[in-house]
Amino acid sequence: AQKITQTQPGMFVQEKEAVTLDCTYDTSDPSYGLFWYKQPSSGEMIFLIYQGSYDQQNATEGRYSLNFQKARKSANLVISASQLGDSAMYFCAMRVASGGSNYKLTFGKGTLLTVNP
Amino acid sequence: SAVISQKPSRDICQRGTSLTIQCQVDSQVTMMFWYRQQPGQSLTLIATANQGSEATYESGFVIDKFPISRPNLTFSTLTVSNMSPEDSSIYLCSAGLERLPDTQYFGPGTRLTVL
Repeated sequence: AQKITQTQPGMFVQEKEAVTLDCTYDTSDPSYGLFWYKQPSSGEMIFLIYQGSYDQQNATEGRYSLNFQKARKSANLVISASQLGDSAMYFCAMRVASGGSNYKLTFGKGTLLTVNP
Repeated sequence: SAVISQKPSRDICQRGTSLTIQCQVDSQVTMMFWYRQQPGQSLTLIATANQGSEATYESGFVIDKFPISRPNLTFSTLTVSNMSPEDSSIYLCSAGLERLPDTQYFGPGTRLTVL
């Protein structure tokens, strides 16, 4: 069975500092993808970053980077130079095959990040 | 990025009625999905919307309660039938794009309140 675990219900960070949000996963499928999404209070789900299981390098997108440690089955999100607008719920998700060319995403419970001024 | 629109954006409905939510994607789509997010919870996959055939439902979700249509590649509807207060949630449409295979985008969501 596929499982995503986010152990930090809430995190606090000072503006301009870096923060790491933890995510561990479990799957027996050798091919999978890992996503991070941001959900502000408005409710929309904003795609941040993606890491494929066969990617050799860690993914980066602007201030977001994904610390992918395959042997440990972890895919932590690092946000550098935090901004007040980064305050939101963050979800880690894993994409695995669900038959043929189909796939589906499984989500973690999320981490609520608060950036303090 | 892609634009995924949903309507309505929110609604307040009476117990026992049904609501149909529409989802439109402005780009060629590989797969479309419907998710539910109950208050304070994470996202739960309801079903995969299959073009021209019956949707594939996840455990705990049935077609009679959540009928789904996908008449073409970029459009899908989800109906929440015979609603009860427990159906109060955000319902989100999601799509994978042909031109961006390593992404999955979400619509803005439909906030449903059932009285």
